[in-house]
Amino acid sequence: AQTVTQSQPEMSVQEAETVTLSCTYDTSENNYYLFWYKQPPSRQMILVIRQEAYKQQNATENRFSVNFQKAAKSFSLKISDSQLGDTAMYFCAFMNPMEYGNKLVFGAGTILRVKS
Amino acid sequence: KAGVTQTPRYLIKTRGQQVTLSCSPISGHRSVSWYQQTPGQGLQFLFEYFSETQRNKGNFPGRFSGRQFSNSRSEMNVSTLELGDSALYLCASSSRLPGSTEAFFGQGTRLTVV
Repeated sequence: AQTVTQSQPEMSVQEAETVTLSCTYDTSENNYYLFWYKQPPSRQMILVIRQEAYKQQNATENRFSVNFQKAAKSFSLKISDSQLGDTAMYFCAFMNPMEYGNKLVFGAGTILRVKS
Repeated sequence: KAGVTQTPRYLIKTRGQQVTLSCSPISGHRSVSWYQQTPGQGLQFLFEYFSETQRNKGNFPGRFSGRQFSNSRSEMNVSTLELGDSALYLCASSSRLPGSTEAFFGQGTRLTVV
C-alpha cells in the first residue's frame, strides 16, 4: 500500500522569505503522480503543483517549485517570496492511475503560517 | 465553467439517522471521488465513481455507500450515523482522460452528528 508522510505538522515563515515543506512516500510502483494541494481556511482544496514520476525535471509553477528525488522517495515543496495568502494547510498526495484510478493518498498535512 | 458543487454545505444529524450528500462535478467530468476529512484521521478516500460504476473503494464500513447518475452527479449515503462520522466530506471531479490527473474539489459538506 502507498503511504505519504509529512513530518512537519506546523511551520511559519516571514513574508517574502522562502520556505520548504517536506514529504516522503512509499510505493513499489514505478509510474505515479505526486501533488501538493493547498487548503486555506475556506476549506477549498486547491492544486498547487503536480509531478509525473517518469519526468526527471522538477515541476515549477510561478513561486512554487518541487524537489523530486525518486530514488529517495522524497517530494518537497519550495515556496519563494512567501505571501500572506499562502497561509494554509498543505497536503502532499500520491496517485497511481493505472492501478487505483483517481484515488489520492494524502499525507497528514503541514500548517503553514506566513507572518507579516 | 462552473466548479464542483456540493450540497448541502452544512448538516446536523442525530445518531442513528441516515444522510445523503450530493456532488455535481464540473461539466464533462465523468469521475467523482469522495473523501472524508477529520482532525484525527486526516483525508481518507471513500470511493470513486466513473460512468455510473464504482471503480475504487476505501476502507470504510458498508454504512457508507454511493452512486452516480447518468449526468455524472453523485450522491453519498451514510446510514445509521455514529458520532465518529462527524467530518468534512469532500467531493472531487476529474475528466479521467489519458494524461489528465488533476482533481478539482468542491467546498465540502460539513456533517455534524449529535
